[in-house]
Amino acid sequence: DIVMTQSPDSLAVSLGERATINCKSSQSVLYRSNNKNYLSWYQQKPGQPPKLLIYWASTRESGVPDRFSGSGSATDFTLTISSLQAEDVAVYYCQQYYSTPQTFGQGTKVEIK
Amino acid sequence: QVHLVQSGAAVKKPGASVKVSCKASGYIFTNYEMYWMRQAPGQRLECMGWINGGNGNTKYSHKFQDRVTFTRDTSATTSYMELSSLRSDDTALYYCARGRSEFGAVIADFWGPGTLVTVSS
Repeated sequence: DIVMTQSPDSLAVSLGERATINCKSSQSVLYRSNNKNYLSWYQQKPGQPPKLLIYWASTRESGVPDRFSGSGSATDFTLTISSLQAEDVAVYYCQQYYSTPQTFGQGTKVEIK
Repeated sequence: QVHLVQSGAAVKKPGASVKVSCKASGYIFTNYEMYWMRQAPGQRLECMGWINGGNGNTKYSHKFQDRVTFTRDTSATTSYMELSSLRSDDTALYYCARGRSEFGAVIADFWGPGTLVTVSS
């Protein structure tokens, strides 16, 4: 199974500041025939199910604010919140869907400083 | 809009089975897969697999393939997940999630609220 490792486990950021979350996969999730990275990012607020934010590593899901962006390729990926808002307090997960079983990172908790 | 309604919480004894339902609305059921995921206390999210809403084909994660069965009823636009031989470490929140197919992959794009399954003697 592909192991997904996120860093840090938690971070506290001031309102309006940038938050950066990293995700590393134990093997490449880049499918060379179509040059797509099979990686997504989810946001989970307390008491709610996960919500898809980003897929194909950098494509924002419809309705997701543009302060959320994804980058990276192969084994190293980043989710950036450009200007943290109060409603962004949540746990964020990366997930690979390159191979079965699809696997998730352990999560990164984002709080307000 | 997309809506997934899951069955209520269940308490089961070790060795028993549980069947969780997921009623879908707001989209064409047969055009999408339905994922089943779970989140145990203090553990990371796990993917159990998915079922194709149209042809009923299934893909099970190897960890669960001997104990889990996915079915669907297209007339009721409902998917089901049955997990057998329950153990205490199966205690978890079980989610269904709509899966859309793109470039040979299935992306979980909308999740149900979750069903708590507690396994306790």
